[in-house]
Amino acid sequence: AQSVTQPDIHITVSEGASLELRCNYSYGATPYLFWYVQSPGQGLQLLLKYFSGDTLVQGIKGFEAEFKRSQSSFNLRKPSVHWSDAAEYFCAVGVDSNYQLIWGAGTKLIIKP
Amino acid sequence: NAGVTQTPKFQVLKTGQSMTLQCAQDMNHNSMYWYRQDPGMGLRLIYYSASEGTTDKGEVPNGYNVSRLNKREFSLRLESAAPSQTSVYFCASSEGQPQHFGDGTRLSIL
Repeated sequence: AQSVTQPDIHITVSEGASLELRCNYSYGATPYLFWYVQSPGQGLQLLLKYFSGDTLVQGIKGFEAEFKRSQSSFNLRKPSVHWSDAAEYFCAVGVDSNYQLIWGAGTKLIIKP
Repeated sequence: NAGVTQTPKFQVLKTGQSMTLQCAQDMNHNSMYWYRQDPGMGLRLIYYSASEGTTDKGEVPNGYNVSRLNKREFSLRLESAAPSQTSVYFCASSEGQPQHFGDGTRLSIL
């Protein structure tokens, strides 16, 4: 069965430090890949997406993600985090023609001043 | 642009009461979705509508019904609310990918 794993429930980083959030998926073919961010009490906002082509994709708010087929991974990165990046981040995989998404459980990012 | 609008934003119900959550999108999308979000479990799909006039069950449909009223609107109904349905409910819409989300309805069942 298809699945998405975000191994880190919480991550704490200092403001200005670099960030990498991990996402691994289980699926036989190349899926559509997404990262969404959810600020407290808010809905989900799309950060970036991968459909095909260049495996390094740029998103909003200075985030990027790299698709690695050999590792079935789509990790999210940011070179320098800001206090406003504190939020929960969700990785999602699109796997069929009905455009359904399979979601990871989320990683909560905590920023230390 | 309003995008995806959900009403109400908050609701408290007693066990056994019924409730309809409303969702409307103004992006002319064909597909609409209802999710629930519980701590540590990400989002789970309740029902979806691939196009006007069609609805299908998702991962956790029990205890819910949906209506795709027209292309813009997709409602979620709890006929007899149970405490296990306490959650945050999100509506989303899409034309292919990606999905666009509303701000959610926070529902508590006492």
